[in-house]
Amino acid sequence: TQLLEQSPQFLSIQEGENLTVYCNSSSVFSSLQWYRQEPGEGPVLLVTVVTGGEVKKLKRLTFQFGDARKDSSLHITAAQPGDTGLYLCAPHTGNQFYFGTGTSLTVIP
Amino acid sequence: GAVVSQHPSWVICKSGTSVKIECRSLDFQATTMFWYRQFPKQSLMLMATSNEGSKATYEQGVEKDKFLINHASLTLSTLTVTSAHPEDSSFYICSARTGTGLSPLHFGNGTRLTVT
Repeated sequence: TQLLEQSPQFLSIQEGENLTVYCNSSSVFSSLQWYRQEPGEGPVLLVTVVTGGEVKKLKRLTFQFGDARKDSSLHITAAQPGDTGLYLCAPHTGNQFYFGTGTSLTVIP
Repeated sequence: GAVVSQHPSWVICKSGTSVKIECRSLDFQATTMFWYRQFPKQSLMLMATSNEGSKATYEQGVEKDKFLINHASLTLSTLTVTSAHPEDSSFYICSARTGTGLSPLHFGNGTRLTVT
């Protein structure tokens, strides 16, 4: 079961551009995590957001949890080729751990 | 810390044979382990959740007799793909967590299974 729709599904941009990835659901979550996965590897945790309206910054990455705790966004400023990967959001839903549909990002040098 | 080792990293097997994939938490005890399947450029699909010493909880549509999961200790879980067919070819990833709530998942590097 994938409770979260991510958009866009694929994104290809030039180095230096900005981008935003969205994670949307009709359900309310107590918290949400963002992961990044590089080809041939397992996902790695980027951030956990807990409070509605919360904004967290991780260098050039800005994460926001919606006020109603149903959606989240990830904004990357001045994208670099090293940002290339699959970005996944994952809500906290008890003991199961489901992921969103994913956004595959390619940053072209 | 929090390293998860998955083995093998890739395997090729003939149709009809069985393949076992191991997932070990090297420096922590994993109360819960998760098994995912992933197709190219797509997200991870949860197959099953396993807690040490108890039967795994399979997601809807996942055949428990085909994908056997054993979580015999707090550091080891195995996934056995029985009577493999070409459509079982995929990337299988395990993950583990030490607790509940906000504790993150720690992932293995996955196993690329190709069934010929």
